[in-house]
Amino acid sequence: EDQVTQSPEALRLQEGESSSLNCSYTVSGLRGLFWYRQDPGKGPEFLFTLYSAGEEKEKERLKATLTKKESFLHITAPKPEDSATYLCAVVGSGTYKYIFGTGTRLKVLA
Amino acid sequence: EAGVAQSPRYKIIEKRQSVAFWCNPISGHATLYWYQQILGQGPKLLIQFQNNGVVDDSQLPKDRFSAERLKGVDSTLKIQPAKLEDSAVYLCASSLAGGSSKKSQETQYFGPGTRLLVL
Repeated sequence: EDQVTQSPEALRLQEGESSSLNCSYTVSGLRGLFWYRQDPGKGPEFLFTLYSAGEEKEKERLKATLTKKESFLHITAPKPEDSATYLCAVVGSGTYKYIFGTGTRLKVLA
Repeated sequence: EAGVAQSPRYKIIEKRQSVAFWCNPISGHATLYWYQQILGQGPKLLIQFQNNGVVDDSQLPKDRFSAERLKGVDSTLKIQPAKLEDSAVYLCASSLAGGSSKKSQETQYFGPGTRLLVL
């Protein structure tokens, strides 16, 4: 059964304090791994898609990486506006549907 | 480009009442999804449409939930009768394609969601 586990559940950082969020997955034939950001009261906002191990994507202070078992979302010198829940989802070749993790709630303090 | 539109944004009903949600996907997107997101959890797929046909409804509680996508564009999700455990955010998403050979077309874009509270 396809499965996604995100850690930590919650993370508090000081402004400028870099860190990483983890997304571990088990899936039959990975078609893609997706990162989304979700602000309170809003729908998930697309950030990145990764397709194969070794791939990396960057956007402003965020960098996503992928291995055969997990993905990391690295946040460099975060700002308070980076505070949100970050969701990871995988799509396997067996089902073609998103399986989401429960997310990491990030709080960046000024 | 306009995003995924949903209405209403909030709804409060009594248990055993019925409720309907509406979704308008991004123009040109063939695939439409309805998700349920319970507080503190990730979204869970309820139903997936490819144009106006159902691709996957394996996790839709069919005794009380129904959905349709007329003319392959807008979609409605209905709950009748509602239970307390249906309190959640109902998210609509769309993608250019789903399960196609072009992986880049499978990226899903989400609407703002409808927050349902069943009392």
